Amino acid sequence: EVQLVESGGGLVQPGGSLRLSCAASGFTFSSYWMSWVRQAPGKGLEWVANIKQDGSEKYYVDSVKGRFTISRDNAKNSLYLQMNSLRAEDTAVYYCARTAGRGGLDVWGQGTTVTVSS
Amino acid sequence: QSALTQPASVSGSPGQSITISCTGTSSDVGGYNYVSWYQQHPGKAPKLMIYDVSNRPSGVSNRFSGSKSGNTASLTISGLQAEDEADYYCSSYTSSSTLLFGGGTKLTVL
Repeated sequence: EVQLVESGGGLVQPGGSLRLSCAASGFTFSSYWMSWVRQAPGKGLEWVANIKQDGSEKYYVDSVKGRFTISRDNAKNSLYLQMNSLRAEDTAVYYCARTAGRGGLDVWGQGTTVTVSS
Repeated sequence: QSALTQPASVSGSPGQSITISCTGTSSDVGGYNYVSWYQQHPGKAPKLMIYDVSNRPSGVSNRFSGSKSGNTASLTISGLQAEDEADYYCSSYTSSSTLLFGGGTKLTVL
């Protein structure tokens, strides 16, 4: 079964850091671009970042550039999102998603919740 | 970059057809045939319904169809069913090699 499972969410103070993980199974992880997408409470979806199969290309939404870093470990079938200098507006459910082609996110995890609050 | 523009809500009766629009610019929707549509039920992860403007993933009902004209893409759901009630989001590949989502549309089945 094709599956993505996120972990690492939690409560963090403003200015703090958190590292999200996404474990992939049931498909050849190293063959796909991967993405992070977030959804603030009661709001719509926002694409956050994506990474090429070999990690050589990475792209970010402007609001997280310089604060978030996407990475992957193909040997461990895992995707990561290092989040630094967290702000209240980063509070959201964070989903990892498999990227098929130029933007079709065809497999999604169940999400992990990040809350930034003092 | 601003979100793609979708109507906040649409509604229809069972059996009817509805269309949700998604308007962008020549740097995203109009510039590439890489528009996708997602369905999201409350508390659930999004589900891909349409990719590359008009292609359906395996397992998605043929009641769902997509199209594009200029800077506006559209999702049409025919033969509306109660289980179609959900939030729908469009997304597009952009000239910056990023993805951009629409603000979302709440579909109510009357």
